[in-house]
Amino acid sequence: GAVVSQHPSRVICKSGTSVKIECRSLDFQATTMFWYRQFPKKSLMLMATSNEGSKATYEQGVEKDKFLINHASLTLSTLTVTSAHPEDSSFYICSANSGRRSYNEQFFGPGTRLTVL
Amino acid sequence: AQSVTQLDSQVPVFEEAPVELRCNYSSSVSVYLFWYVQYPNQGLQLLLKYLSGSTLVKGINGFEAEFNKSQTSFHLRKPSVHISDTAEYFCAVTYYNQGGKLIFGQGTELSVKP
Repeated sequence: GAVVSQHPSRVICKSGTSVKIECRSLDFQATTMFWYRQFPKKSLMLMATSNEGSKATYEQGVEKDKFLINHASLTLSTLTVTSAHPEDSSFYICSANSGRRSYNEQFFGPGTRLTVL
Repeated sequence: AQSVTQLDSQVPVFEEAPVELRCNYSSSVSVYLFWYVQYPNQGLQLLLKYLSGSTLVKGINGFEAEFNKSQTSFHLRKPSVHISDTAEYFCAVTYYNQGGKLIFGQGTELSVKP
């Protein structure tokens, strides 16, 4: 099956610094990638949708200047949390869609645990 | 607004007992339904999906789900659970005009006890 990786799996940073999280589709080309945020014991909240070569589409309430998303190629999307604060601590999960149809399966990465001190 | 409701936040069950995890979605045409499982500190793994055709869908690990359009439900079932099935389960839906965006339910924590 299709594999999506995330790096790093866990990161701890100081308040005010920026953190970059990578999401890669290892064996397929991802036309669309999604970024989710998950709080403890909570569901996944979609943050943004990114298509290769175009600007990401952010969900309502998500600060685009704080969560920078770049979908540079068909196999790589990055999420940069700028000027991180403790309230940004969370589990961030990406997923990749191999086609343009709504029913195309999304393949999820293993997640990145961000802790901001 | 489109939504998914998982009626049970926690479901405790004994090993080898049957289980049903409930999921209801807001009514619409051309809906695609999914069940995912998440183990602690991991990403999501697809259990099964309904796109069209037979309303009874079989997935991995012995799970199955039935699409009921009249009741707008997609309940997940397993006739006999194992300790290893202990995890968080998410129901999700997408619609034909949503570009693949998934709407997730709140999740159900399945706890299988010996």
